[in-house]
Amino acid sequence: GENVEQHPSTLSVQEGDSAVIKCTYSDSASNYFPWYKQELGKRPQLIIDIRSNVGEKKDQRIAVTLNKTAKHFSLHITETQPEDSAVYFCAASVNYGQNFVFGPGTRLSVLP
Amino acid sequence: DAGVIQSPRHEVTEMGQEVTLRCKPISGHDYLFWYRQTMMRGLELLIYFNNNVPIDDSGMPEDRFSAKMPNASFSTLKIQPSEPRDSAVYFCASSFWGLGYNEQFFGPGTRLTVL
Repeated sequence: GENVEQHPSTLSVQEGDSAVIKCTYSDSASNYFPWYKQELGKRPQLIIDIRSNVGEKKDQRIAVTLNKTAKHFSLHITETQPEDSAVYFCAASVNYGQNFVFGPGTRLSVLP
Repeated sequence: DAGVIQSPRHEVTEMGQEVTLRCKPISGHDYLFWYRQTMMRGLELLIYFNNNVPIDDSGMPEDRFSAKMPNASFSTLKIQPSEPRDSAVYFCASSFWGLGYNEQFFGPGTRLTVL
């Protein structure tokens, strides 16, 4: 079955700097890659996603890139702000998002 | 819509007791998921349903866990008997896969503590 790895497990950046979180997946048939953000004590929420026929997607300060050949995808957050502090989960799906396999998560801390 | 509703929000019980967690998905959604979240194991998919039918229960840890979805508006996750290692936050999520690439909407979670 699908296996998703995520690095780093924790990440601290200064406010205003960029943050990058990387994920790899094992199943080359995966075709949908969402990213979820979970603030402390809250529920996970979708922040951005990318389909396998797209190499990059941007939404304001957030971008995701996908390299199908290498089977890895990354989340990029620019101009980080304190409210970006949270745990970020990547995920991969082989059935266009019917169900996902989540990575272990990255705890991002944005320091003032 | 009120979003995915879960009850109770917190549950404290003693080892050996039966625990029932409840979920009401977003109206019109055809997929329902049960997840367990712990520090050690992260976010684990336990089981998911499509149109009230269980599709994949390979994540259910053992026979002590069971889940049902008697109709499109209600699902339960039952643990009997409960053990301290079942302590976790249990999330229910729902989605509509009509056009593919669905977003899963999570409920607020149930924090379960088994003493």
